[in-house]
Amino acid sequence: LAKTTQPISMDSYEGQEVNITCSHNNIATNDYITWYQQFPSQGPRFIIQGYKTKVTNEVASLFIPADRKSSTLSLPRVSLSDTAVYYCLVGPSNAGGTSYGKLTFGQGTILTVHP
Amino acid sequence: ETGVTQSPTHLIKTRGQQVTLRCSSQSGHNTVSWYQQALGQGPQFIFQYYREEENGRGNFPPRFSGLQFPNYSSELNVNALELDDSALYLCATLGQGIKTQYFGPGTRLLVL
Repeated sequence: LAKTTQPISMDSYEGQEVNITCSHNNIATNDYITWYQQFPSQGPRFIIQGYKTKVTNEVASLFIPADRKSSTLSLPRVSLSDTAVYYCLVGPSNAGGTSYGKLTFGQGTILTVHP
Repeated sequence: ETGVTQSPTHLIKTRGQQVTLRCSSQSGHNTVSWYQQALGQGPQFIFQYYREEENGRGNFPPRFSGLQFPNYSSELNVNALELDDSALYLCATLGQGIKTQYFGPGTRLLVL
């Protein structure tokens, strides 16, 4: 599984856009990039997933350059409730659905949003 | 709301004891994974069950074992508890039609 590197921590203020970049130099052809959010004493929550270019949902955007060796999670106009740990994961997915149940988490990025 | 529930929410055990943690999913998906998350660390994959059979294991000793039942609920059993087993234990099921996982709220285990 491809290893990921992301900043240990980031600080921001309410209303700002936050971009968290993740490096995954050894990403494989069939790997997807997935971001999770985790609040203290809760399970990780799926935010967004992508394979290439740009993906946007109601919560965030995910930018993936052509070489796929990095990705950037963009959170628009953060609020205090966005303070959490954000994990970038890279791993395979297949039609059978079993191999992508084995996620490898790094230490994540602690995002702190200030008033 | 992920539809994944775990019980109990908190548990205190002593070294050498055994513990059973439980997980169930409203969606009844046939794949469930278990993770251990030590304080300040990311979740670490323990093992996965697919159609009641173990389908992959992380770097955890055999005293970590599991079961998956026909209704797709699952148990994680840990024997001979050690102090380092103190952690948040998470289970996760696969999302329907999406290549991702949905996690439960976890069980916080403290081993004294």
